[in-house]
Parts: sequence; structure tokens; C-alpha cells
Amino acid sequence: GAGVSQSPRYKVAKRGQDVALRCDPISGHVSLFWYQQALGQGPEFLTYFQNEAQLDKSGLPSDRFFAERPEGSVSTLKIQRTQQEDSAVYLCASRWTDSNEKLFFGSGTQLSVL
Amino acid sequence: SQQGEEDPQALSIQEGENATMNCSYKTSINNLQWYRQNSGRGLVHLILIRSNEREKHSGRLRVTLDTSKKSSSLLITASRAADTASYFCATDVGLAGSNYKLTFGKGTLLTVNP
Repeated sequence: GAGVSQSPRYKVAKRGQDVALRCDPISGHVSLFWYQQALGQGPEFLTYFQNEAQLDKSGLPSDRFFAERPEGSVSTLKIQRTQQEDSAVYLCASRWTDSNEKLFFGSGTQLSVL
Repeated sequence: SQQGEEDPQALSIQEGENATMNCSYKTSINNLQWYRQNSGRGLVHLILIRSNEREKHSGRLRVTLDTSKKSSSLLITASRAADTASYFCATDVGLAGSNYKLTFGKGTLLTVNP
């Protein structure tokens, strides 16, 4: 597609439910990032993929968060046993390589945990 | 944790005026980028300045970088109501030879009144 696509756009979950957030990066982009953005804050780094390899997951808040990109294109961020503090906008971004380049962002998935 | 800090947190100006936002960061960088985010949307890249550059222009945007002071500024000239958005600086920090980790500040909320 022309841009980074994320789905769903909005997700409401009951506390304790598992959720899966999908990201379709721009075709051919090697690097893929997930960020978490709380209301009124800047995006916080969660994890980074280079093709299918997850090279950095240091930003994942807990072991309830899991991300994968099995074929080096589409990525899924999974949150198990959701908590209220997981409520945020989850942003996916991609770029061609690791070099000095801009990121292309999706519109995000707004997760509300009740 | 966030590497960059934008200042001011919020800025309200009249259409036609110039808007200046500042960003300070803590560690050495490969490049610094500015992004804009309209309410409820993803981030859009505005401009990238490399660590060996001091000033860069793009249309009505002017970015400066002072690596000795670890600071950058974004100037938007002749502002328009459509410039109303949050603006974030992001630093690209090299880690073990891989400069992939783009870290965002908390942002400046710019309101341009018609």
C-alpha cells in the first residue's frame, strides 16, 4: 500500500483480555518500530525489527507484551491479560533501512482497557 | 525514558506570526528529526538535520542544531491555522554501530488562531 496501515483503529478490551494489533508497513521497508503513546505524551519506544529479526525489545513494559514479524513484512503486537495502564495509542512506523532516514507512521490503534 | 525535551509545552499564536519551538537532548546523536502530529493521527516527518549540519530549511520551516549545547530549534514562519498540531523532536542515537533507535520528546502543542 501507499502508507503504513494499522488495524484496528480503535480497540476496547475488558481487563484481562488478550488483544492483537496489526501493522502493515510500506512494502520493502526493512525496519519496523512499535511505539506506545500515552495521552499528552510523546511516543515511547517499544520494540524494533529488522526484517523478521527482533533486534531490540527493551521498551516492552512487561512480559505480557509480545511482538512478531514472522515474514519480515506484517507485524503483530500482542498484549496478554490487558491492564488499565495499557490504555494508550500504539503506533507502528517503518523505514527502508537503519541509516539516517525518516520514519513513516501509521495512524495508530487506540486501545482502551476497561 | 525520553531523550528530548521540547520547550514550550504549549504555544498559542495568531495566524501570520512565527512560531519557535526548542528541543534539548542528553546524549550524542547521529541526527535529529522533527515530526508533526495532528490530533488523533500518526506522526508526519517534517525535517531531518544531521549531526554535522547547523541549519536546514524546508519551505516555511527552519531548523537549527547546536551539538555543543545539545539543542535544536524549529521555526515555522508565516504560520497558518492548518499548522495547529503537536510538534515532536526525535533523536537518532547510535547504539553499537546501529543508529536505529529514534527517541521522541514530549512535544509542543502549537495552536494557530485565525
